[in-house]
Amino acid sequence: EAGVAQSPRYKIIEKRQSVAFWCNPISGHATLYWYQQILGQGPKLLIQFQNNGVVDDSQLPKDRFSAERLKGVDSTLKIQPAKLEDSAVYLCASSWTGGAGDNSPLHFGNGTRLTVT
Amino acid sequence: QKEVEQDPGPLSVPEGAIVSLNCTYSNSAFQYFMWYRQYSRKGPELLMYTYSSGNKEDGRFTAQVDKSSKYISLFIRDSQPSDSATYLCALYSSASKIIFGSGTRLSIRP
Repeated sequence: EAGVAQSPRYKIIEKRQSVAFWCNPISGHATLYWYQQILGQGPKLLIQFQNNGVVDDSQLPKDRFSAERLKGVDSTLKIQPAKLEDSAVYLCASSWTGGAGDNSPLHFGNGTRLTVT
Repeated sequence: QKEVEQDPGPLSVPEGAIVSLNCTYSNSAFQYFMWYRQYSRKGPELLMYTYSSGNKEDGRFTAQVDKSSKYISLFIRDSQPSDSATYLCALYSSASKIIFGSGTRLSIRP
């Protein structure tokens, strides 16, 4: 099966600019996640979708970050305006359901590496 | 106190050595315990999971969970240079979803 696709792979922007990331999950996966991984840290959940509804966005900085999942498939994550501390890898993941473990493992894309200067 | 604590390393061992990677956690509500492996510039991939105390073995890898001590471990036997990666523990509960540790960077010297 094809994996989780993300684009772009790299992005360099200046602070206060806007940026958007795109994710195409594995076909048939109902749950889609966006994680932020700062260098030297583990992934931190930003937002979780179940189909096209938001399940958890408690750690999403809503004053500058937004995400949507149209038609329950592809998703975009936007940052506007970007800050220096947003420099990180943004990982998209998908799973069959919102659980965990072997019955519904997370499948990650390779991420978008964002540098804010 | 962080929900999950993981020694960041880096950890460097010679090829063939036994590697021990560990995480401690504070919330007894966690139900699933997972280990992800992340190669440089790649996304994490699920390596092992378990949901009960005790050991689970898969080839050269053994996952160990001690719920009474809130301590999980991953052992790698006969380590290979291809095992060089960052290893992330991840814990799941229906309330807090999946929480990742900060990862341990492992390097296996040929």
